[in-house]
Amino acid sequence: AQSVSQHNHHVILSEAASLELGCNYSYGGTVNLFWYVQYPGQHLQLLLKYFSGDPLVKGIKGFEAEFIKSKFSFNLRKPSVQWSDTAEYFCAVNARGQNFVFGPGTRLSVLP
Amino acid sequence: DTEVTQTPKHLVMGMTNKKSLKCEQHMGHRAMYWYKQKAKKPPELMFVYSYEKLSINESVPSRFSPECPNSSLLNLHLHALQPEDSALYLCASSQDVAGGTYEQYFGPGTRLTVT
Repeated sequence: AQSVSQHNHHVILSEAASLELGCNYSYGGTVNLFWYVQYPGQHLQLLLKYFSGDPLVKGIKGFEAEFIKSKFSFNLRKPSVQWSDTAEYFCAVNARGQNFVFGPGTRLSVLP
Repeated sequence: DTEVTQTPKHLVMGMTNKKSLKCEQHMGHRAMYWYKQKAKKPPELMFVYSYEKLSINESVPSRFSPECPNSSLLNLHLHALQPEDSALYLCASSQDVAGGTYEQYFGPGTRLTVT
């Protein structure tokens, strides 16, 4: 069965700081990878996805993620965070024949 | 249009009530999902419908009863719930079932409180 771990439970940054949120999964086969964001009081929105091809994927709002197959990782990055990036971030994985599995989430707090 | 809509936004019900949650999408997606999300936790999969047929039930208690009247609509019927069932109930849809290269689109959820 798949499982997803996220390195940090809560990350606190100042505006303009760089962000990297870790995500690791356990599954030996081909996987699809996603990052979702949940702003306070809002629904889950897809930030970016990886299916195949270039392991560096760009998403909305200046986010990007890199798939490193050898490390089973899909870390999310943003060069300069804004106060409006304060949200809960979920990494998710699905593999052929399997359903989405979400990581436990990382709460990001950006201080103005 | 990448919108999944859910009604109602909020629902308060007693343990003896019967209520229903509704979900609708008009993206032509053939897979629809119900998730339960507790505060500060990830969504937990409850049910999956594929081509209007129930394909996955993740050991959900029978007090939750899903229904897919057509390819655009998904209902969740609630009966005799417990206070611990209070949560945000999310509906999602995708072009096809999990395992393919399809992302899921989520609705805003129904905040359910069982008193």
